[in-house]
Amino acid sequence: GNSVTQMEGPVTLSEEAFLTINCTYTATGYPSLFWYVQYPGEGLQLLLKATKADDKGSNKGFEATYRKETTSFHLEKGSVQVSDSAVYFCALTFSYNQGGKLIFGQGTELSVKP
Amino acid sequence: NAGVTQTPKFQVLKTGQSMTLQCAQDMNHEYMSWYRQDPGMGLRLIHYSVGAGITDQGEVPNGYNVSRSTTEDFPLRLLSAAPSQTSVYFCASRAAGGYTDTQYFGPGTRLTVL
Repeated sequence: GNSVTQMEGPVTLSEEAFLTINCTYTATGYPSLFWYVQYPGEGLQLLLKATKADDKGSNKGFEATYRKETTSFHLEKGSVQVSDSAVYFCALTFSYNQGGKLIFGQGTELSVKP
Repeated sequence: NAGVTQTPKFQVLKTGQSMTLQCAQDMNHEYMSWYRQDPGMGLRLIHYSVGAGITDQGEVPNGYNVSRSTTEDFPLRLLSAAPSQTSVYFCASRAAGGYTDTQYFGPGTRLTVL
């Protein structure tokens, strides 16, 4: 079946460090890929997305490239800030998914220390 | 424009009690969904709707009921609460137009079943 796997958390970094959160997927077909972020006490917000192979999604200094050959969509940021502390979810969907259903990874908690 | 709203924010139930989690959106979105979030498991789809009067089951529908009488509202009913339903519940909505369009999430309801 279709699934998303993320690296285990929590990830703890110092401010201005480089961030990578790994995400790989298993899918029959060609999904669209997303990163959602959940700040403490809030709902999920879309961070970025990519809809086809080799697309790069970017937003707020974060970026991720859709790699079909490695079935990956790793999230990166060059210099993290304390305000980036949150839980990050990788997710996928298909054009044929009724209701726009999303399949989520388990989430990776990021903690950035000053 | 309030987006997606959920009530209550917190709820404690005893085993066997019933309750309804409310969800409303003011964006005129056709698609609405309920997810539950459990530690280490990401978000899992409970039920979804593609329009007023149309609902369908997601990945984990047992113990939950939904109906959609208006475009705006999509309540989730717990018929007889069980401790396994202790979770954080998120409602989401999306326009029907494009499957890669943003899903908007509410702030969540944290439910504890004793």
